[in-house]
Amino acid sequence: NAGVTQTPKFQVLKTGQSMTLQCAQDMNHEYMSWYRQDPGMGLRLIHYSVGAGITDQGEVPNGYNVSRSTTEDFPLRLLSAAPSQTSVYFCASSYRAQGIYEQYFGPGTRLTVT
Amino acid sequence: TQLLEQSPQFLSIQEGENLTVYCNSSSVFSSLQWYRQEPGEGPVLLVTVVTGGEVKKLKRLTFQFGDARKDSSLHITAAQPGDTGLYLCAGSVTGNQFYFGTGTSLTVIP
Repeated sequence: NAGVTQTPKFQVLKTGQSMTLQCAQDMNHEYMSWYRQDPGMGLRLIHYSVGAGITDQGEVPNGYNVSRSTTEDFPLRLLSAAPSQTSVYFCASSYRAQGIYEQYFGPGTRLTVT
Repeated sequence: TQLLEQSPQFLSIQEGENLTVYCNSSSVFSSLQWYRQEPGEGPVLLVTVVTGGEVKKLKRLTFQFGDARKDSSLHITAAQPGDTGLYLCAGSVTGNQFYFGTGTSLTVIP
């Protein structure tokens, strides 16, 4: 199993450009989520999905879109990049064991917006 | 938004020393998790605690959930250089959405 994979590893965008961060998992987990990690602020939830076709907003959803057409894939779209979106982005997939969700994280995408 | 504060923010100790990291909130959580993150990688789940007062041990790591389920601590005995990393706590109210703490960066000097 590859676990959770994310592409690209690094990306530089100009303000106003759009792009999609890819996330895929091969563990057949129903629950997937996107976080951003900024210095001194921990990880903050952007969007999450409880299954194919179902998505919802997290703590900081503005400026981002998601869709979940398959169980395996959960892409994150930046509509019009802004310098405030410079961050490290992590995708996670989760399974529920005895009522508790255990999260598996991908290696991250480091995004710089100039 | 549930705010989780971790202390200390940075910790640098000699190999063999003991240390404790704290995770505090004014909110009550149904479960709390601890993760370790190494540079350039995603966080890795260490443990989940769900019952107030619960204590879990993972080799030299001891995790405790506060009686009121608002706080938690991580104690490392005889720290080793391999323990170096960013330690994150994350609390959940609903079970599937987790709010992360600000992290404690630990450096263990050989």
